[in-house]
This record gives sequence, structure tokens and C-alpha cells, in this order.
Amino acid sequence: QSVLTQPPSVSAAPGQKVTISCSGTNSNIGSYYVSWYQQLPGTAPKLLIYDNNKRPSGIPDRFSGSKSGTSATLGITGLQTGDEADYYCGAWDSSLSGLWVFGGGTKLTVL
Amino acid sequence: QVQLQESGPGLVKPSQTLSLTCTVSGGSISSGGHYWSWIRQHPGKGLEWIGYIYNSVTTYYNPSLKSRFTISVDTSKNQFSLKLSSVTAADTAVYYCARAYCSGGSCYSGYWGQGTLVTVSS
Repeated sequence: QSVLTQPPSVSAAPGQKVTISCSGTNSNIGSYYVSWYQQLPGTAPKLLIYDNNKRPSGIPDRFSGSKSGTSATLGITGLQTGDEADYYCGAWDSSLSGLWVFGGGTKLTVL
Repeated sequence: QVQLQESGPGLVKPSQTLSLTCTVSGGSISSGGHYWSWIRQHPGKGLEWIGYIYNSVTTYYNPSLKSRFTISVDTSKNQFSLKLSSVTAADTAVYYCARAYCSGGSCYSGYWGQGTLVTVSS
């Protein structure tokens, strides 16, 4: 059971927009920055968004992040077949003595 | 460009100690501000943070995991390592090393190794 809650799957057609939600609590998302990762099959996670809405160099602006209260959202516009992957959110959590936590992942299918 | 590469045995017997090494290239492991981390992913599951080492000596581990993990750094080889004692089948996972930034309310990693699958089986 992951600390952050994501929908198991989402789908959309090429060219469309999709959003992926990440729900947490005041001890994680409500108090700390959120990051998002893309994991293509058989590869390591790749950072897409950090500090809620910042994109690392090289990440296209089709990817966006936002946060409100104890939830965060990853948005992807202009969907491409190459976007089919698992997406994970992450944040620090102040529970116990502090730990880095992740969501369970969301499988994006581009129909 | 910083690159990380895990190495270690792909198969470990139950009750043994697993040792993995992460070799860092394109940057010094001694440079400040980085949290050299280990993260694992059980088959078909999500990501689980194991712990990190920073400033070459300070370690911090996931408090929700039992204290079987040890992370250390060898600055002369630009490597950091993970040891996991008394392994069981539940430790079967892909193990990733990563360079993270965890400060000021933020914790994320832009640099990951390719991952190494470790199977615990007799």
C-alpha cells in the first residue's frame, strides 16, 4: 500500500490531454514539494517535474505539474504513443522521522 | 553528464547479505548537496525509497523498513554501496541507485542508474 494514492490507469487518444492525480495528506503533499517520474517499460524512472511544477532541462512543456492542498496533478498534452508508460508521484513525508514516499504508479495508455 | 551504474549479483540465497555498488561518472561523489540514494521496485510494484548518504558520512534510512540496510561511500572509487543483510524472497526487486536532492521541503532525483534485478532464491 503506497503512501500517495494514484489511479491505477488512465487512457486517452493521441493528441489529447490527460491528467494524473496524486493524493496525499498534510504530512506529505500538504507540506512538501511534489515530483513526477515517467517510467517506460524496462527502464529507470525519469524525472518529469520537480518542486510541484518545474521541468528539468529537456522535458517538453507538454508536461506540467500543479498542486493544491494535499493533492497534485500531472498534465500531459498532445499525447504521443511514446508517452505510454507508468507515472509516479513522489514527495517527502514527515511521518515517523521522515521518509521519501511515492505513489503506486499510474499506467498511461495512449489508445 | 552524471551517470550512475549499479553492479552486483543477480542472485542471492536466503539469509545471505546482498551487496550492491553504484559507480558514479561525470561528477564527484564528494561534491556537496547531493543525496546518494538507493530505491527499489518489487516486481510489478511501485517505488520504495531505501535510504541515502550525504556529505560522504551521514546516512538516513527509510524508518518504515527494518534496519537491515547499510549505505556507505568509497570516495576514492567514486562509488557508493548498499548492503542488505538476512535477505528473504521479499527482497527480490530491481534496485536503483540515484542522485537525489532532498532539502528545503523538496526531495527528487534527476539521475538514476539503469537498475539491477536482484532475485533471492535458493
